[in-house]
Amino acid sequence: EVQLVQSGAEVKKPGESLKISCQGSGYNFTNYWINWVRQKPGKGLEWMGIIYAGDSDNTYSPSFQGQVTISVDKSINTAYLQWSSLKASDTAMYYCARRRITVAGGIDYWGQGTLVTVSS
Amino acid sequence: QTVVTQEPSFSVSPGGTVTLTCGLSSGSVSSTYYPSWYQQTPGQAPRTLIYSTNIRSSGVPDRFSGSILGNKAALTITGAQADDECDYYCVLYMASGIWVFGGGTKLTVL
Repeated sequence: EVQLVQSGAEVKKPGESLKISCQGSGYNFTNYWINWVRQKPGKGLEWMGIIYAGDSDNTYSPSFQGQVTISVDKSINTAYLQWSSLKASDTAMYYCARRRITVAGGIDYWGQGTLVTVSS
Repeated sequence: QTVVTQEPSFSVSPGGTVTLTCGLSSGSVSSTYYPSWYQQTPGQAPRTLIYSTNIRSSGVPDRFSGSILGNKAALTITGAQADDECDYYCVLYMASGIWVFGGGTKLTVL
């Protein structure tokens, strides 16, 4: 069974760093891309970026370029989303989602989400 | 930056048919944008309904279909049911290699 299991909820202060994770199982992790998607409370979905688990090739949305870092550790089938200095405006639910190897392949599986709360 | 447009809200009667659309602030949507559609109920992760314009994701009933209608991507729901009442999002693939979500449509079944 394909699963994407995300790390647990986090409560952080502004200026702190954070790395959340998304572990894939039940499939060949290195053959797929992993997207990261943000959803602020009561708002819509925002595409942040994508990484290919096989070789770490990645693309960021201009809105998130320089604000976050997406990475992958294929030895443990895990993708990461990290911040070096959190802001209150980073408070949101973050989802990872698997995309097939081709653009036409689409997203098929989603993680359960990680809630990040940034508050002083 | 290109804006992806969706109706903020829509309503449909139980058993009825509704078509939600996904457009661009400038230009027309075609299959080369690989439009996808997602369904999200409150407190849950999104669920993939349609990808690459009209391919249903595994397990999605054939009441849900995707297409290009005029200059927009479209999601049609036939035989609307009470549990179809939730939020629907489209996403488009841009030539720059990025994806852009629409603002979402809140569907009411009443």
